Amino acid sequence: EVQLVESGGGLVKPGASLKLSCVASGFTFSDYWMSWVRQTPGKTMEWIGDIKYDGSYTNYAPSLKNRFTISRDNAKSTLYLQMSNVRSEDTATYYCTRHILRVFDYWGQGVMVTVSS
Amino acid sequence: DVVLTQTPSTLSATIGQSVSISCRSSQSLLDSAGNTYLYWYLQRPGQSPQLLIYLVSNLGSGVPNRFSGSGSGTDFTLKISGVEAEDLGVYYCMQATHAPWTFGGGTKLELK
Repeated sequence: EVQLVESGGGLVKPGASLKLSCVASGFTFSDYWMSWVRQTPGKTMEWIGDIKYDGSYTNYAPSLKNRFTISRDNAKSTLYLQMSNVRSEDTATYYCTRHILRVFDYWGQGVMVTVSS
Repeated sequence: DVVLTQTPSTLSATIGQSVSISCRSSQSLLDSAGNTYLYWYLQRPGQSPQLLIYLVSNLGSGVPNRFSGSGSGTDFTLKISGVEAEDLGVYYCMQATHAPWTFGGGTKLELK
C-alpha cells in the first residue's frame, strides 16, 4: 500500500525557517517524481514545486522559488521541503504527492503550518 | 499563470441526480505534442484530495464510471451521472500544461 506521511509542521514565527519531511512507503521511491502542494485555510490549492526521481532537477512556482527548496533522500525514501523567511500567507496545509506523467496519483494526509507571531 | 475558473462554486444535489462542473482556462491547455494536461480531483471532508480524472477524460484507478470528463482547449466538464452520498466534497480541476501548474478554485458538492 502506497503511503506518504508528512511531518515537521507547527507554529512558526514570521521570518523563521522550517523543514517539512515526507516519508514514503509501499513503492520504489527512487522511481518517481514527487511534488509539494499546499492548501490555504480558504481552501485554495497551490502547487509549490517538484523534484525528479534522482534529485537532479527541481521546478518551482515562481512566486515561491526564492524561499522554498525541495530535496530528497532516496536512501531514506524521504522528501523534504525547506521553507525560509516564512510569512503569514504561508499558513497552509502542506501535502506531498507522488506524480507520474504529471498526474498526482497519491497524496499524503497533509501537515499544517501556521505562521504567526 | 494559467487561471482556471470553476463554476458553480457550490452545487446542491439530491442522491441520484446528475450534475456537471465546468472548468474554464485562461489559455488553451493543448500542448505542442497534442496532449491536454487537465485533471479532476475530489477532496472529501477531512481527507486529502484524490485523483478522479486524468488527461481530460481518463478515469483514475478505482474511480466509479459514473464520473466522466470531457472538453478541449479551454473548456472542460466533469459530469457525475447519479450522485451518491460518497461523492460529497470539493472538486478541483488542475492543469499541468503550463508551468506553474495551477488549480481551479473548487466546487463544493453538497446534499440538497
